[in-house]
Amino acid sequence: DAGVIQSPRHEVTEMGQEVTLRCKPISGHNSLFWYRQTMMRGLELLIYFNNNVPIDDSGMPEDRFSAKMPNASFSTLKIQPSEPRDSAVYFCASSPGPGNTIYFGEGSWLTVV
Amino acid sequence: AQSVTQPDIHITVSEGASLELRCNYSYGATPYLFWYVQSPGQGLQLLLKYFSGDTLVQGIKGFEAEFKRSQSSFNLRKPSVHWSDAAEYFCAGGGSNYKLTFGKGTLLTVNP
Repeated sequence: DAGVIQSPRHEVTEMGQEVTLRCKPISGHNSLFWYRQTMMRGLELLIYFNNNVPIDDSGMPEDRFSAKMPNASFSTLKIQPSEPRDSAVYFCASSPGPGNTIYFGEGSWLTVV
Repeated sequence: AQSVTQPDIHITVSEGASLELRCNYSYGATPYLFWYVQSPGQGLQLLLKYFSGDTLVQGIKGFEAEFKRSQSSFNLRKPSVHWSDAAEYFCAGGGSNYKLTFGKGTLLTVNP
């Protein structure tokens, strides 16, 4: 069974450019998460969707970040404009529902120069 | 507030030695507890989980963890470490909602 699929795996972009990260959750999972991992702050929850609806976006750093989930099998995390401090690993994860095990994708390694 | 603490930032063990990674939690009720492992350049892989029932939980790759309510702990153990176990290990806790709180991680180095 396929796990959570993320793309791109690695991206290097220049400051000011738009970055779009993509995620396909595990089929049948109703909950989708975007996390960010940095050395300084560890793993942070950015946003949580349940049944394609954003439930908690309190972790989104600022207006430059936006996330969408147009259907049950696809989500995007967009950063516009990007800044060097956005350099991090961004993980998408999914779960059968609240209170269940969360399964992580391989991550998108973002470097903003 | 809910929290998960991993007291050890970095642990070094010799191959073949036993291993115990510590995790302490602070929750109002019994939390759901997880251990994840992250190899360099990889995502987080679930090792094991505790929701309820038997307090000794078996996981993949020969790992086990024991939930001790009296000590608010969920330590990860392995009787004999292999070089391939070198990675970063994350303890996480959650409840019946969606929120999962992660510890800062413990980096495991395995000496030959």
